[in-house]
Amino acid sequence: QQQVKQSPQSLIVQKGGISIINCAYENTAFDYFPWYQQFPGKGPALLIAIRPDVSEKKEGRFTISFNKSAKQFSLHIMDSQPGDSATYFCAATIQGGSEKLVFGKGTKLTVNP
Amino acid sequence: NAGVMQNPRHLVRRRGQEARLRCSPMKGHSHVYWYRQLPEEGLKFMVYLQKENIIDESGMPKERFSAEFPKEGPSILRIQQVVRGDSAAYFCASSSTNSGTGSKPQHFGDGTRLSIL
Repeated sequence: QQQVKQSPQSLIVQKGGISIINCAYENTAFDYFPWYQQFPGKGPALLIAIRPDVSEKKEGRFTISFNKSAKQFSLHIMDSQPGDSATYFCAATIQGGSEKLVFGKGTKLTVNP
Repeated sequence: NAGVMQNPRHLVRRRGQEARLRCSPMKGHSHVYWYRQLPEEGLKFMVYLQKENIIDESGMPKERFSAEFPKEGPSILRIQQVVRGDSAAYFCASSSTNSGTGSKPQHFGDGTRLSIL
């Protein structure tokens, strides 16, 4: 059973455009939602995270939008750059326990110059 | 380098051999997580350890896999009698003690790519 569903699987965007990646979760006990960026041959790096008590969080060009009632959250990358080309993973966890992360399957983003 | 250190970066084993993967957490971190990533897949949780204790091993295969995090030294993920299906990237992450905010961001190493011949 896949607890976090991520789409699209791949995404191609022109430089300067907006990249949007969506995730949906099933377990209503999840209460912390991080996004990770992974370059080839590297480990995932924490990008931005949100808790369900807020509907939006912005850090630079990266914004998370969160819809608790729909059990969905999304990552928006504004003014996308070729250097943003990477695989992005959404994740979810339950705080206070082991806090193991449940990951989506990832989105491979390509930003064309 | 103050990040999470994993070694070796690449490991080749023949079927039936043992694989040992090592992880040194970030300085000051006492919590270690192991994840496995198959090609074109997201990471899947395997085990969560604190010093000398296994806290959550709900993602570990029941046989051949074991993990430890001794009082001194790195955390070790051990796979005995490896099979072709064990080929994957294995990532370690570490986090600090719960700061009271309820979240302990996990910081990942660059992984060990295990190939089984």
